[in-house]
Amino acid sequence: RKEVEQDPGPFNVPEGATVAFNCTYSNSASQSFFWYRQDCRKEPKLLMSVYSSGNEDGRFTAQLNRASQYISLLIRDSKLSDSATYLCVVNEGLNDMRFGAGTRLTVKP
Amino acid sequence: ETGVTQTPRHLVMGMTNKKSLKCEQHLGHNAMYWYKQSAKKPLELMFVYSLEERVENNSVPSRFSPECPNSSHLFLHLHTLQPEDSALYLCASSQDPSGARYNEQFFGPGTRLTVL
Repeated sequence: RKEVEQDPGPFNVPEGATVAFNCTYSNSASQSFFWYRQDCRKEPKLLMSVYSSGNEDGRFTAQLNRASQYISLLIRDSKLSDSATYLCVVNEGLNDMRFGAGTRLTVKP
Repeated sequence: ETGVTQTPRHLVMGMTNKKSLKCEQHLGHNAMYWYKQSAKKPLELMFVYSLEERVENNSVPSRFSPECPNSSHLFLHLHTLQPEDSALYLCASSQDPSGARYNEQFFGPGTRLTVL
């Protein structure tokens, strides 16, 4: 079983749509969680950390469900510039960051 | 724009060559990381340095040799690589995660390596 699992997509949505990604993790002792965004042929960039109570940053909302061991990312009012691969990242220990393979999103006009 | 720089950005080398990748961070962090990213695969953690001490080596072949002379610089020395080592090599840095719950990592732009 993969340690951090994501639906690879691709998700193709029109501008203005709402889209949600889920990510499951296998280690119940995981300590912290993040969403990163990676554009084609570029490095991953931190989108947001995921807090236990859930958190929102503009059009982006992240949720954590420890009981079911998944995190989610909701993007409202999608923009063309949101097209990218979204990486789920789970911190299992001091230096042990585990990355999902990513979910590819394409927002179309 | 990024606080983490990497050179070179692109590298083509033969299997008998020796080359080095360089990473420098300007964020005042004291943990640095090397990752390998192959097509359609998750990032693979290769090495971790915290306070200039190597704390993780994820069963990486000895043809990859890291060096961390200080908390701002990290090198990856390459020798007798194989074609399957062709990938994007990413450097990242963070605050020493001891006691830190949310130790976000910040990535450099990567070196795209091709081994012929």
